[in-house]
Amino acid sequence: GAVVSQHPSWVICKSGTSVKIECRSLDFQATTMFWYRQFPKQSLMLMATSNEGSKATYEQGVEKDKFLINHASLTLSTLTVTSAHPEDSSFYICSASPGSQETQYFGPGTRLLVL
Amino acid sequence: GQQLNQSPQSMFIQEGEDVSMNCTSSSIFNTWLWYKQDPGEGPVLLIALYKAGELTSNGRLTAQFGITRKDSFLNISASIPSDVGIYFCAGTGGGNKLTFGTGTQLKVEL
Repeated sequence: GAVVSQHPSWVICKSGTSVKIECRSLDFQATTMFWYRQFPKQSLMLMATSNEGSKATYEQGVEKDKFLINHASLTLSTLTVTSAHPEDSSFYICSASPGSQETQYFGPGTRLLVL
Repeated sequence: GQQLNQSPQSMFIQEGEDVSMNCTSSSIFNTWLWYKQDPGEGPVLLIALYKAGELTSNGRLTAQFGITRKDSFLNISASIPSDVGIYFCAGTGGGNKLTFGTGTQLKVEL
């Protein structure tokens, strides 16, 4: 149980284009989903908290107009990197929490490379 | 903000040896979680701890939630090559946001 998927697993795009990443909880409903970014050899950095049916809460320093988050259902959250630039290249990982639990289950991550 | 200090930063051990790593916090945590991350993949939950003093095992892994609620340790007994990876502690101090430790990279020598 508690499986989270992400799609795509990797993406290469040109500078200036937008990229959408999907995060799905496959066998549970997730009221809350989280989006993280991870640079090589570093820990995970929380970007935003996504609550179903409401606006996402962004961490300090994360541009909400740059990283658009939509949590339209209890099993799906999307992160759109708008007008991507090379510095946006990173490993993006989502997680989901079942119900009221504080435990988070992570997706396999999406590797983004912006040329 | 909350900070988690994780040590050691890296370990290089012989197969069959026991491993111990720990996390300390500058403030009280309500939940401690231990994850393992393989290269290019997302973290996988190993053990979740919800109560001070709790000692929980998962196969060869054992983790404890410190009595002070400011620390936690993870032990791996009889390490094997597939234990290689980066281990992260994480905790919540109220609310549902996780604070992650800096990670412990484990390398196992055959």
